[in-house]
Amino acid sequence: EDQVTQSPEALRLQEGESSSLNCSYTVSGLRGLFWYRQDPGKGPEFLFTLYSAGEEKEKERLKATLTKKESFLHITAPKPEDSATYLCAVQVLKNYGGSQGNLIFGKGTKLSVKP
Amino acid sequence: ETGVTQTPRHLVMGMTNKKSLKCEQHLGHNAMYWYKQSAKKPLELMFVYSLEERVENNSVPSRFSPECPNSSHLFLHLHTLQPEDSALYLCASSPRRTSPSDTQYFGPGTRLTVL
Repeated sequence: EDQVTQSPEALRLQEGESSSLNCSYTVSGLRGLFWYRQDPGKGPEFLFTLYSAGEEKEKERLKATLTKKESFLHITAPKPEDSATYLCAVQVLKNYGGSQGNLIFGKGTKLSVKP
Repeated sequence: ETGVTQTPRHLVMGMTNKKSLKCEQHLGHNAMYWYKQSAKKPLELMFVYSLEERVENNSVPSRFSPECPNSSHLFLHLHTLQPEDSALYLCASSPRRTSPSDTQYFGPGTRLTVL
């Protein structure tokens, strides 16, 4: 069964304290891995798409990396405004119709950055 | 208006009421989605529409009835809901639905409370 697991469930950091969030996946075949940011009471906001192992993408203080089994979202010198829930999702290869293209989400990591 | 909009943002309804959620996308996309987001659970895909045709129904109870009159609008009709249906309902759209380059963009969601 295709599965996405994110850890930790919650992470508290001091401003400037760098860390990483993990997204591990078990899927039949990966088409793409997505990172989203979600603020309370709002919809997820797209951050990155990664397609193959070894790929990296950066945006401001965020850097996403991908291996064959997991992805990391590295946060460098975070600020309080980086506080949010970060969601990971995968799009899997399917040989039959219907589910092709659908995203499977993890439960998310809630990040809190204290000043 | 830009992006994906949803109305209402908050809805409180009794178990015998009938209500509808509305989603509108201003991105020229051809695929639209309804998701349910409950506390401590991953986003659950409910329905997928591609070019106004329903292509997926993920075993959703019949008390939820989707409608897609055109590629810009998506509705979720609700009737005789249960308290466990209380959740954040998210709408998303993407250019198509089968390629990882077709990123899904989310609306702000409707917070539904069933009394």
